[in-house]
Amino acid sequence: TQLLEQSPQFLSIQEGENLTVYCNSSSVFSSLQWYRQEPGEGPVLLVTVVTGGEVKKLKRLTFQFGDARKDSSLHITAAQPGDTGLYLCAGRMDSSYKLIFGSGTRLLVRP
Amino acid sequence: GAVVSQHPSRVICKSGTSVKIECRSLDFQATTMFWYRQFPKKSLMLMATSNEGSKATYEQGVEKDKFLINHASLTLSTLTVTSAHPEDSSFYICSATGLVGADTQYFGPGTRLTVL
Repeated sequence: TQLLEQSPQFLSIQEGENLTVYCNSSSVFSSLQWYRQEPGEGPVLLVTVVTGGEVKKLKRLTFQFGDARKDSSLHITAAQPGDTGLYLCAGRMDSSYKLIFGSGTRLLVRP
Repeated sequence: GAVVSQHPSRVICKSGTSVKIECRSLDFQATTMFWYRQFPKKSLMLMATSNEGSKATYEQGVEKDKFLINHASLTLSTLTVTSAHPEDSSFYICSATGLVGADTQYFGPGTRLTVL
């Protein structure tokens, strides 16, 4: 069983459209990170959220951490083909150094 | 800063042979290194955690005698896949944390292992 479930698993959209990816769990996390990974490469950190209800923006990407610190979302505005990739959320539980990765969302943005 | 490299980037080997993968922190001292495995179109699964100078801690279900991990220095950890079989074919990724900002893991570019 996956501790962090992401939805949707796969998303194919047209350039310019908006999208939201969800990362859900029944467990509480002390912090949550979002990564983007391209084929054949390691994941690249996009953002870290630590406070319940926190919202962070990175250009066209908006990240939100749920009030209860059990879920998170990533919203992309006006998606571009360069946004194509595998998006992974990863959480850290209190007093643990381990990262627990979500199931992943594969995004394809068509020109 | 905070660059992690892996070598080799790709390796193809015959069934029954052993393969060593290196993970290096290039510009910082890595007190802890993590090894992950990723199957095609799947997420990362933590295999083991290694601290410099001590034995690695393996996750449940990971065979420590098959996946040998050595973290002999603060800049190098190695993963050796012993007696590799086709089912060991996967993308292996390491990450490292330093003395400062230990909450952040810096990921390597990964190693694609194909066992024939």
